[in-house]
Amino acid sequence: DIQMTQSPPSLSASVGDRVTITCQASQDISDHLNWYQQKPGKAPKLLIFDASNLQTGVPSRFSGSGSGTDFTFIISSLQPEDIATYYCQQYDNPLFTFGPGTKVDVK
Amino acid sequence: QVQLVESGGILVKAGGSLRLSCAASGFNFNDYYMSWIRQAPGKGLEWVSNISGGGKYTDYADSVEGRFTISRDNAKKSLYLQIHSLRAEDTAVYYCARVAVGVIIGVFDYWGQGTLVTVSS
Repeated sequence: DIQMTQSPPSLSASVGDRVTITCQASQDISDHLNWYQQKPGKAPKLLIFDASNLQTGVPSRFSGSGSGTDFTFIISSLQPEDIATYYCQQYDNPLFTFGPGTKVDVK
Repeated sequence: QVQLVESGGILVKAGGSLRLSCAASGFNFNDYYMSWIRQAPGKGLEWVSNISGGGKYTDYADSVEGRFTISRDNAKKSLYLQIHSLRAEDTAVYYCARVAVGVIIGVFDYWGQGTLVTVSS
């Protein structure tokens, strides 16, 4: 199976800050990487697909980049409603795997 | 609009069985792969199983292979997950998710609200 790691496990930032989360795959997954947002008590929501494509209706302050094994997710200006856990997920291998998540808090 | 509504989650004893259901609406159900994804309390997301639009092709995570069976009834626009030989580690919220159409499947573009399965020892 392809293993996914994320860093940091958690972070705390101020409103307006730029937030960066990284995700690493245990082998080359091309751009077969998605990012999801999960707010407390809610289902996950797709934000980014194919590593860098913004899902319809998602604010442009969210972005993604990378290919191969190393990926980056950025919130350009953190908003209070962005408090959530963010997960990366690979789909290069049919046994899809998620990263462990990054919990984002607002200071 | 796309809606996915899960049901069937209960408190069940270890070794028991149950069937989860997911009712879909707002899209051409038989055109889409569907998946089950679970989340243990306080933990991350774990993909469980996929099924193709026609129901012919299925995949399972190693952790559930042989105990879980995914199926669908396109006439009823419903997805199912039959679970046997339940273990404590199967305790989780189970989400059904639609898989976006693409050259390679694996983008979960819509999720249900989840249904909680609790396994007691």
